[in-house]
Amino acid sequence: SAVISQKPSRDICQRGTSLTIQCQVDSQVTMMFWYRQQPGQSLTLIATANQGSEATYESGFVIDKFPISRPNLTFSTLTVSNMSPEDSSIYLCSVWDATGANVLTFGAGSRLTVL
Amino acid sequence: TQLLEQSPQFLSIQEGENLTVYCNSSSVFSSLQWYRQEPGEGPVLLVTVVTGGEVKKLKRLTFQFGDARKDSSLHITAAQPGDTGLYLCAPRGGPRRLTGGGNKLTFGTGTQLKVEL
Repeated sequence: SAVISQKPSRDICQRGTSLTIQCQVDSQVTMMFWYRQQPGQSLTLIATANQGSEATYESGFVIDKFPISRPNLTFSTLTVSNMSPEDSSIYLCSVWDATGANVLTFGAGSRLTVL
Repeated sequence: TQLLEQSPQFLSIQEGENLTVYCNSSSVFSSLQWYRQEPGEGPVLLVTVVTGGEVKKLKRLTFQFGDARKDSSLHITAAQPGDTGLYLCAPRGGPRRLTGGGNKLTFGTGTQLKVEL
């Protein structure tokens, strides 16, 4: 299955600043998905990142707050802009496994704490 | 997108106990997946159930898809500390309000399990 590396694994940020999270996959994939997991909660899909086009955002998430880049088929970034304590979450990158086994594979996540 | 309801939300048990986790809906799905997320990691697929009434076993874990393909359960026998984690169900091929539609995967509300020695 695909191997996904996320950076940073964790960070502590100040209110009002922005942080960019990187996601690197060891194989080429069409779609990359970004999820948010608030403390003690399930995963919520933020957006789908497609190479060569703008990301598709889910209801409640906007590009100005969570800009996404997808420069090639193995890499994507998610920026959390103008952060507030409510943005403290784990952010996870995921892709469908290339074997076609209908498995969603995840990175280990980026734990963000906003003070 | 609405989240599929899971119950219980939290469960803390002693090693050796049995438990069942439920994933319930009034909608029909073509399949349903179960994932487990351990602390500090991303979720990992445990199983996919496709046929109504289907039962799949993974060591001490038994997964069942409801006859009408609207719900699913996960039963763990003789739980061990290594079973600790967040268990998530994820429906496929159902109403967009629950599945998100297309190639997206949405998850249920989750069950946080803690197994203590």
